Amino acid sequence: EAGVAQSPRYKIIEKRQSVAFWCNPISGHATLYWYQQILGQGPKLLIQFQNNGVVDDSQLPKDRFSAERLKGVDSTLKIQPAKLEDSAVYLCASSHYEQYFGPGTRLTVT
Amino acid sequence: AQSVTQLDSHVSVSEGTPVLLRCNYSSSYSPSLFWYVQHPNKGLQLLLKYTSAATLVKGINGFEAEFKKSETSFHLTKPSAHMSDAAEYFCVVSDSGNQFYFGTGTSLTVIP
Repeated sequence: EAGVAQSPRYKIIEKRQSVAFWCNPISGHATLYWYQQILGQGPKLLIQFQNNGVVDDSQLPKDRFSAERLKGVDSTLKIQPAKLEDSAVYLCASSHYEQYFGPGTRLTVT
Repeated sequence: AQSVTQLDSHVSVSEGTPVLLRCNYSSSYSPSLFWYVQHPNKGLQLLLKYTSAATLVKGINGFEAEFKKSETSFHLTKPSAHMSDAAEYFCVVSDSGNQFYFGTGTSLTVIP
């Protein structure tokens, strides 16, 4: 079966610019997650969707980060405006009893 | 509340010697437990999982882990380390609600 797809794989932007990431989960997986993984740290959950509803967004910096999953399938994560400390790998995962991770998007903010 | 503690942030072993990566968990429910591996600049790959069946779980690449409820542990082991095992390892606990909690990771170095 196809895995979790993410794009782009790499992105370099200047601070205060905006950026968007896209994720396509495994077909049939109702739960989708976005994680932020800063270099040398474990993944930190930003937001969890169940179908198109938000289950947990307690660690999402809502003043600059937003995410949506309008049709309960694909999801986008947006940062506007970006800060230097947003440099990280953004991981998307979907689950059906266990999580499957995409390859991630490596964001560099200069 | 669910949580995971990985007891060692760094582990260094010689090639051919055993590997032990320690993980303790806290869970109010019967947990599911996972070990993931992340090689440099690569995605997270599932090594093995425990979901209330056999307490000794065998995974890929010769890794295994034993669920010990009395000790609330789920340590990852491998009899003989290979150079390709050098990576970051994450222990993860899940409750029944599709929520997953990551440990802070253990960096494994394999010395030739």
